Amino acid sequence: NAGVMQNPRHLVRRRGQEARLRCSPVKGHSHVYWYRQLPEEGLKFMVYLQKENIIDESGMPKERFSAEFPKEGPSILRIQQVVRGDSAAYFCASSSGQSSYEQYFGPGTRLTVT
Amino acid sequence: DAKTTQPPSMDCAEGRAANLPCNHSTISGNEYVYWYRQIHSQGPQYIIHGLKNNETNEMASLIITEDRKSSTLILPHATLRDTAVYYCIVPFGGTSYGKLTFGQGTILTVHP
Repeated sequence: NAGVMQNPRHLVRRRGQEARLRCSPVKGHSHVYWYRQLPEEGLKFMVYLQKENIIDESGMPKERFSAEFPKEGPSILRIQQVVRGDSAAYFCASSSGQSSYEQYFGPGTRLTVT
Repeated sequence: DAKTTQPPSMDCAEGRAANLPCNHSTISGNEYVYWYRQIHSQGPQYIIHGLKNNETNEMASLIITEDRKSSTLILPHATLRDTAVYYCIVPFGGTSYGKLTFGQGTILTVHP
């Protein structure tokens, strides 16, 4: 009974590089959410996706960030041209369709931009 | 989301019950109360949720007042591993469906 899986767990990128964070939801869950936790700050919602659809991206920065959840494969959060301010823990969560607020979180990806 | 208010920190002795309060006086009639916790550096963990009846699961109990303006999360026998930040969340549906808004929460420290 695998939970939400995220990889890599730690990612180091230099300024200007691209970061790709992957999330495999709980088996059978079709709803995925991404949250970001900046150092010493709270968790902030970024985006809510269902298979092949973005439902709510109100928390996504307008530039450089994108997310997808294809029909097959994991959800991907992509950050282009990373800057030091992108250094944070990125958490993915998933839920079934019946209760979108009962979300199960992965262990997170710690992104460090040098 | 309906605004929630929690004490910033609480202490509890190991083996005793931990009672974590939350005020949500602006809650609407069809809004649920959700509780999550985040143990240091880990992903948040869903604990329990309820509408108006008291709820219990293997992790905790949730007591919601009759007027629904406040609730209490009860960990019946706290252990050191329960030390975490606990979040009380009242999500709003509509266009924000699925979005959880985490506030500052309550830092619970369980002492030996």
